[in-house]
Amino acid sequence: QVQLVQSGPEVKEPGASVKVSCKTSGYTFTTYGLTWVRLAPGQGLEWMGWISPYNGDTYYARKLQGRVTVTTDTSTSTAYIELRSLRSDDTAVYYCARRGSREGFDYWGQGTVVTVSS
Amino acid sequence: QSVLTQPPSVSAAPGQKVTISCSGSSSNVGVNYVSWYQHVPGTAPKLLISENNKRPSGIPDRFSGSKSGTSATLDITGLQTGDEADYYCGTWDSSLSAGVFGGGTKLIVL
Repeated sequence: QVQLVQSGPEVKEPGASVKVSCKTSGYTFTTYGLTWVRLAPGQGLEWMGWISPYNGDTYYARKLQGRVTVTTDTSTSTAYIELRSLRSDDTAVYYCARRGSREGFDYWGQGTVVTVSS
Repeated sequence: QSVLTQPPSVSAAPGQKVTISCSGSSSNVGVNYVSWYQHVPGTAPKLLISENNKRPSGIPDRFSGSKSGTSATLDITGLQTGDEADYYCGTWDSSLSAGVFGGGTKLIVL
Protein backbone atom coordinates (compact mmCIF):
# COMPACT_ATOMS: atom_id res chain seq x y z
CA GLN A 1 0.00 0.00 0.00
CA VAL A 2 1.07 3.56 -0.65
CA GLN A 3 2.69 5.23 2.36
CA LEU A 4 4.35 8.58 2.96
CA VAL A 5 6.20 8.72 6.27
CA GLN A 6 7.63 12.00 7.45
CA SER A 7 10.40 12.83 9.87
CA GLY A 8 9.76 13.87 13.46
CA PRO A 9 8.98 17.22 15.07
CA GLU A 10 11.49 20.05 14.96
CA VAL A 11 12.10 23.06 17.18
CA LYS A 12 14.25 25.79 15.67
CA GLU A 13 15.35 29.28 16.57
CA PRO A 14 14.56 32.23 14.28
CA GLY A 15 17.09 32.49 11.47
CA ALA A 16 17.89 28.77 11.47
CA SER A 17 17.08 26.21 8.77
CA VAL A 18 14.98 23.05 8.88
CA LYS A 19 14.91 20.04 6.58
CA VAL A 20 11.92 17.69 6.66
CA SER A 21 11.91 14.31 4.94
CA CYS A 22 9.12 12.27 3.37
CA LYS A 23 9.92 8.61 2.73
CA THR A 24 7.58 6.95 0.26
CA SER A 25 6.77 3.32 -0.42
CA GLY A 26 4.21 1.18 -2.21
CA TYR A 27 4.55 2.74 -5.65
CA THR A 28 7.15 3.70 -8.25
CA PHE A 29 8.63 6.90 -6.86
CA THR A 30 9.41 8.52 -10.21
CA THR A 31 5.87 8.10 -11.55
CA TYR A 32 4.22 10.84 -9.51
CA GLY A 33 5.09 14.36 -8.45
CA LEU A 34 5.33 15.32 -4.79
CA THR A 35 3.92 18.44 -3.21
CA TRP A 36 4.60 20.15 0.12
CA VAL A 37 1.77 21.89 1.97
CA ARG A 38 1.73 23.53 5.39
CA LEU A 39 -0.93 24.46 7.91
CA ALA A 40 -0.11 27.20 10.38
CA PRO A 41 -2.11 27.65 13.61
CA GLY A 42 -5.40 29.38 12.87
CA GLN A 43 -4.65 29.54 9.15
CA GLY A 44 -5.64 27.56 6.05
CA LEU A 45 -3.68 25.17 3.88
CA GLU A 46 -0.75 26.78 2.10
CA TRP A 47 0.87 25.28 -1.02
CA MET A 48 4.65 25.49 -0.75
CA GLY A 49 6.18 23.68 -3.69
CA TRP A 50 6.20 20.69 -6.05
CA ILE A 51 8.87 18.44 -7.49
CA SER A 52 9.00 15.83 -10.21
CA PRO A 53 11.10 12.92 -8.94
CA TYR A 54 11.42 11.85 -12.58
CA ASN A 55 13.40 14.85 -13.83
CA GLY A 56 13.84 17.15 -10.82
CA ASP A 57 11.64 19.96 -12.13
CA THR A 58 10.38 22.20 -9.33
CA TYR A 59 7.86 24.95 -8.70
CA TYR A 60 7.76 27.10 -5.56
CA ALA A 61 5.33 29.52 -3.95
CA ARG A 62 6.41 33.07 -4.75
CA LYS A 63 6.34 34.16 -1.11
CA LEU A 64 8.88 31.42 -0.26
CA GLN A 65 11.19 31.85 -3.27
CA GLY A 66 14.79 32.08 -2.16
CA ARG A 67 14.10 30.44 1.22
CA VAL A 68 12.80 27.03 0.16
CA THR A 69 14.30 24.08 -1.70
CA VAL A 70 12.59 20.78 -2.51
CA THR A 71 14.72 17.80 -3.48
CA THR A 72 14.41 14.06 -3.91
CA ASP A 73 16.65 11.03 -3.47
CA THR A 74 15.45 8.42 -5.93
CA SER A 75 17.71 5.76 -4.40
CA THR A 76 15.65 5.88 -1.19
CA SER A 77 12.33 7.15 -2.65
CA THR A 78 12.51 10.10 -0.29
CA ALA A 79 11.58 13.75 -0.78
CA TYR A 80 12.90 16.65 1.27
CA ILE A 81 11.93 20.22 1.90
CA GLU A 82 14.42 22.69 3.34
CA LEU A 83 13.29 26.06 4.63
CA ARG A 84 15.92 28.63 5.56
CA SER A 85 15.94 31.90 7.54
CA LEU A 86 13.08 30.64 9.67
CA ARG A 87 10.65 33.10 11.20
CA SER A 88 8.00 32.66 13.86
CA ASP A 89 5.28 32.60 11.19
CA ASP A 90 6.88 29.48 9.68
CA THR A 91 5.57 27.59 12.72
CA ALA A 92 3.20 25.05 11.18
CA VAL A 93 2.48 21.43 10.43
CA TYR A 94 4.27 20.52 7.20
CA TYR A 95 2.79 17.82 4.96
CA CYS A 96 4.06 16.01 1.91
CA ALA A 97 1.47 14.73 -0.54
CA ARG A 98 1.61 12.63 -3.67
CA ARG A 99 0.70 14.17 -7.05
CA GLY A 100 0.10 17.77 -7.99
CA SER A 101 -2.52 20.47 -7.72
CA ARG A 102 -4.07 19.62 -11.11
CA GLU A 103 -4.69 15.96 -10.29
CA GLY A 104 -5.35 16.30 -6.56
CA PHE A 105 -3.22 15.07 -3.67
CA ASP A 106 -4.27 11.46 -3.18
CA TYR A 107 -1.91 10.31 -0.41
CA TRP A 108 -0.53 12.41 2.42
CA GLY A 109 2.21 12.08 4.98
CA GLN A 110 1.27 12.20 8.64
CA GLY A 111 2.61 15.74 9.05
CA THR A 112 5.68 17.19 10.76
CA VAL A 113 5.34 19.90 13.39
CA VAL A 114 7.93 22.64 12.99
CA THR A 115 8.09 25.18 15.80
CA VAL A 116 10.13 28.35 15.40
CA SER A 117 10.78 30.01 18.72
CA SER A 118 13.57 31.68 20.60
CA GLN B 1 -5.71 36.55 1.43
CA SER B 2 -6.31 33.27 -0.40
CA VAL B 3 -6.39 33.16 -4.19
CA LEU B 4 -9.58 31.08 -4.09
CA THR B 5 -12.58 32.35 -2.12
CA GLN B 6 -14.65 30.11 0.15
CA PRO B 7 -17.25 31.00 2.79
CA PRO B 8 -15.70 30.84 6.29
CA SER B 9 -18.40 28.54 7.60
CA VAL B 10 -21.58 26.69 6.70
CA SER B 11 -23.99 24.82 8.92
CA ALA B 12 -26.93 22.47 8.64
CA ALA B 13 -28.72 19.77 10.59
CA PRO B 14 -27.99 16.05 10.32
CA GLY B 15 -29.56 14.56 7.20
CA GLN B 16 -29.65 17.87 5.39
CA LYS B 17 -27.56 19.05 2.43
CA VAL B 18 -24.88 21.75 2.33
CA THR B 19 -23.12 23.43 -0.54
CA ILE B 20 -19.64 24.92 -0.26
CA SER B 21 -18.57 27.33 -2.98
CA CYS B 22 -15.09 28.06 -4.32
CA SER B 23 -14.61 31.13 -6.46
CA GLY B 24 -11.50 31.71 -8.54
CA SER B 25 -10.44 33.30 -11.80
CA SER B 26 -9.62 32.57 -15.40
CA SER B 27 -6.05 31.61 -14.50
CA ASN B 28 -6.95 28.93 -11.96
CA VAL B 29 -10.46 27.46 -11.59
CA GLY B 30 -11.38 28.62 -15.08
CA VAL B 31 -8.72 26.52 -16.80
CA ASN B 32 -7.61 23.79 -14.38
CA TYR B 33 -9.19 20.91 -12.49
CA VAL B 34 -10.42 21.60 -8.96
CA SER B 35 -9.95 19.25 -6.00
CA TRP B 36 -11.65 19.22 -2.61
CA TYR B 37 -10.14 18.15 0.71
CA GLN B 38 -11.56 17.36 4.12
CA HIS B 39 -9.40 18.21 7.12
CA VAL B 40 -10.16 17.05 10.63
CA PRO B 41 -7.79 18.81 13.08
CA GLY B 42 -4.97 16.57 14.18
CA THR B 43 -5.12 14.40 11.07
CA ALA B 44 -3.80 14.70 7.53
CA PRO B 45 -6.15 16.22 4.94
CA LYS B 46 -8.13 13.76 2.84
CA LEU B 47 -8.88 14.00 -0.87
CA LEU B 48 -12.65 14.00 -1.41
CA ILE B 49 -12.97 15.09 -5.03
CA SER B 50 -10.40 15.28 -7.84
CA GLU B 51 -10.65 16.60 -11.38
CA ASN B 52 -13.76 18.65 -10.53
CA ASN B 53 -16.11 15.72 -9.88
CA LYS B 54 -14.29 12.41 -9.42
CA ARG B 55 -14.52 10.57 -6.11
CA PRO B 56 -11.51 8.49 -5.06
CA SER B 57 -12.16 4.96 -3.96
CA GLY B 58 -13.78 4.86 -0.53
CA ILE B 59 -15.37 8.31 -0.65
CA PRO B 60 -19.16 8.03 -0.25
CA ASP B 61 -21.41 9.32 -3.01
CA ARG B 62 -22.85 11.79 -0.48
CA PHE B 63 -19.93 13.97 -1.58
CA SER B 64 -20.08 15.44 -5.08
CA GLY B 65 -18.28 18.19 -6.93
CA SER B 66 -18.99 20.37 -9.92
CA LYS B 67 -17.46 23.30 -11.76
CA SER B 68 -18.86 26.04 -13.94
CA GLY B 69 -16.68 28.79 -15.35
CA THR B 70 -14.52 30.20 -12.58
CA SER B 71 -16.48 28.68 -9.69
CA ALA B 72 -16.62 25.21 -8.21
CA THR B 73 -18.98 23.63 -5.72
CA LEU B 74 -18.85 20.80 -3.21
CA ASP B 75 -22.19 19.29 -2.21
CA ILE B 76 -22.59 17.09 0.84
CA THR B 77 -25.93 15.33 1.27
CA GLY B 78 -27.26 13.29 4.16
CA LEU B 79 -25.09 15.21 6.64
CA GLN B 80 -23.61 13.26 9.53
CA THR B 81 -21.99 14.58 12.70
CA GLY B 82 -18.77 12.94 11.52
CA ASP B 83 -18.71 15.32 8.56
CA GLU B 84 -17.78 18.21 10.85
CA ALA B 85 -14.41 19.36 9.52
CA ASP B 86 -12.69 22.05 7.49
CA TYR B 87 -13.10 21.79 3.73
CA TYR B 88 -10.67 23.23 1.20
CA CYS B 89 -10.75 23.63 -2.55
CA GLY B 90 -7.48 23.61 -4.46
CA THR B 91 -6.19 23.90 -7.99
CA TRP B 92 -3.25 25.07 -10.09
CA ASP B 93 -2.84 28.71 -11.07
CA SER B 94 -1.37 28.94 -14.55
CA SER B 95 -0.36 32.60 -14.13
CA LEU B 96 1.40 32.08 -10.81
CA SER B 97 2.77 28.66 -11.85
CA ALA B 98 1.85 27.54 -8.36
CA GLY B 99 -0.76 25.56 -6.50
CA VAL B 100 -3.46 27.52 -4.72
CA PHE B 101 -6.06 26.78 -2.03
CA GLY B 102 -9.19 28.41 -0.78
CA GLY B 103 -9.18 29.78 2.75
CA GLY B 104 -11.19 26.82 3.99
CA THR B 105 -14.80 26.39 5.13
CA LYS B 106 -15.73 25.09 8.55
CA LEU B 107 -18.72 22.77 8.38
CA ILE B 108 -20.88 22.71 11.48
CA VAL B 109 -23.46 19.96 11.79
CA LEU B 110 -26.04 21.31 14.21
